[in-house]
Amino acid sequence: DTAVSQTPKYLVTQMGNDKSIKCEQNLGHDTMYWYKQDSKKFLKIMFSYNNKELIINETVPNRFSPKSPDKAHLNLHINSLELGDSAVYFCASSPRPGLAGGTDTQYFGPGTRLTVL
Amino acid sequence: KQEVTQIPAALSVPEGENLVLNCSFTDSAIYNLQWFRQDPGKGLTSLLLIQSSQREQTSGRLNASLDKSSGRSTLYIAASQPGDSATYLCAPHGNQFYFGTGTSLTVIP
Repeated sequence: DTAVSQTPKYLVTQMGNDKSIKCEQNLGHDTMYWYKQDSKKFLKIMFSYNNKELIINETVPNRFSPKSPDKAHLNLHINSLELGDSAVYFCASSPRPGLAGGTDTQYFGPGTRLTVL
Repeated sequence: KQEVTQIPAALSVPEGENLVLNCSFTDSAIYNLQWFRQDPGKGLTSLLLIQSSQREQTSGRLNASLDKSSGRSTLYIAASQPGDSATYLCAPHGNQFYFGTGTSLTVIP
């Protein structure tokens, strides 16, 4: 069974379009994250949700809007896509939020490669 | 803000060699540090998690050490194999995870 799954795996779209990436975890974790990995392989956190509530919101354009319908899902919606949005987006989960510190390991999804033309 | 540096950026070794990957970070106020492996076009796989109170952690041929006060961690891979070829990322965990840019390892058969 896949612990953290993302759909789609690949997404190719035109500039200006709106798209969504879905993430689901079946680990029973309370906390989920979205990361962006750029062309230089640098991974940076974008958002973190704990029990459907936003706890980390790094400086990302407000064209990016996370939505958490329940604690097993954290979807990422992107409006008015730009060329610079092309990257691999990773979803992750952990039992508790990073702010709690402690022992938690993050589990990552396989990533969604977004290409904006 | 945490800054994470991994050296070397790329490494190529013949099969069977022991090797060390280095990670340094600027903010020592961390709870733990995690090492990940990323295969091309794939997600991240967690390798080891070291708590801030620990000095090292071992899993099979992998050994990770942590010197929190000096902001350093190393990942030691013993008897490297071609299947170890991947990018290795370290992630110190304070109020959130920060990632280094990784070390791209190639093990030559």
